[in-house]
Amino acid sequence: DTEVTQTPKHLVMGMTNKKSLKCEQHMGHRAMYWYKQKAKKPPELMFVYSYEKLSINESVPSRFSPECPNSSLLNLHLHALQPEDSALYLCASRRNNEQFFGPGTRLTVL
Amino acid sequence: TQLLEQSPQFLSIQEGENLTVYCNSSSVFSSLQWYRQEPGEGPVLLVTVVTGGEVKKLKRLTFQFGDARKDSSLHITAAQPGDTGLYLCAVRSYNTDKLIFGTGTRLQVFP
Repeated sequence: DTEVTQTPKHLVMGMTNKKSLKCEQHMGHRAMYWYKQKAKKPPELMFVYSYEKLSINESVPSRFSPECPNSSLLNLHLHALQPEDSALYLCASRRNNEQFFGPGTRLTVL
Repeated sequence: TQLLEQSPQFLSIQEGENLTVYCNSSSVFSSLQWYRQEPGEGPVLLVTVVTGGEVKKLKRLTFQFGDARKDSSLHITAAQPGDTGLYLCAVRSYNTDKLIFGTGTRLQVFP
């Protein structure tokens, strides 16, 4: 298995909803990432987990809450989001200096 | 200050044309990656270059790492509509888990 999977592919939520994004990889990579990407821009780093511990939080608002239940899974819990949080959310895992990205979740906040 | 500057930002060409995308920095890197991202999808790793002066080929794509390991180029020969996408160079930030992306080059190839 050489891929990173993400669910759901698309998500529409209201500002009062609670939802979660999920990411999974079975390549044995011990670093996993969440990125946010706006249209026509490079991905922006949000969080990094290394060996299932949060190692980097790029000053992300608390309405985004990451979780790493085990070495293969990464979640991003969403609560009370704003319309400006609408974006493509990408998960990635890392082997040495190379990152492997999932297909992303297209999030729309109404 | 952006660590990795890509040029051009946008490129719109006809099928069959050749093109070169540049990724420049004032810093030295141990390795550099190139990714391609199609609309609505995640970036896909194309290549990693490691040695100064290294040239790698991937079908019609030729990647070069500068002799001083500060810059890189991507040359596409006889571009096809399937080459359309966002091209990103990237490096791993020294001694951290961060991946630093370039500013991106958006390529559109028309039939």
